[in-house]
Amino acid sequence: EVQLVESGGGLVQSGRSLRLSCKVSGYSFSDFAMTWFRQAPGKGLEWVGFITSGRYGGTTEYAASVKGRFTISRDDSNSIAYLQMNSLKTEDTAVYYCSRGHCSESNCYMFLYWGQGTLVTVSS
Amino acid sequence: DIVMTQSPLFLPVTPGEPASISCRSSQSLQHSNGYTYLDWYLQKPGQSPQVLIYLGSIRASGVPDRFSGSGSGTEFTLKISRVEAEDVGVYYCMQGLQTPGTFGHGTKVEIK
Repeated sequence: EVQLVESGGGLVQSGRSLRLSCKVSGYSFSDFAMTWFRQAPGKGLEWVGFITSGRYGGTTEYAASVKGRFTISRDDSNSIAYLQMNSLKTEDTAVYYCSRGHCSESNCYMFLYWGQGTLVTVSS
Repeated sequence: DIVMTQSPLFLPVTPGEPASISCRSSQSLQHSNGYTYLDWYLQKPGQSPQVLIYLGSIRASGVPDRFSGSGSGTEFTLKISRVEAEDVGVYYCMQGLQTPGTFGHGTKVEIK
């Protein structure tokens, strides 16, 4: 059974940092990209960024709203993806999801597996 | 960025009746490989999103056959042939052709 379990969310002050983890089981983690999404309270879904698989060099891309502040990385040996969030702003308050899609170096489809989400609240 | 526009934003439905949601993209979602990078997701209350349709028209595993996706280029449609009570939630179209991936604003489906 495929499982994605996020952790690391919580309450943090504006300007501080937080690191989210996405622990994967049930499939070969290294063979797939990992994408992070978020959903602000009462709002729609937003793509945050992704990291490709080793086949595509483990490259990363980010939404403009987080570029330069957020960093996605992966530890293939432990099947964990990370989302390092620095210089947090109140508008980063959201539930953050990791999800496995079928991705090449720049396009993706079928996000079949999702984590349960972890809430990040940034206070002023 | 590719802009995704969904309509309607709110859709009251009657169980047993059909329903349809439209999604338009600001540019064609067809890749040079021939595939169209348009997915449909349903987010039920309190749950993570779940994929219904991918690459425009392919039903994901386990998705009931009352759901179907169609369209090409920049115009897409999700149809539910006969709505059931369990279909309530917010439906999103999403393009994966280019980064950043972008979603429509969502269509909230509720039972009348």
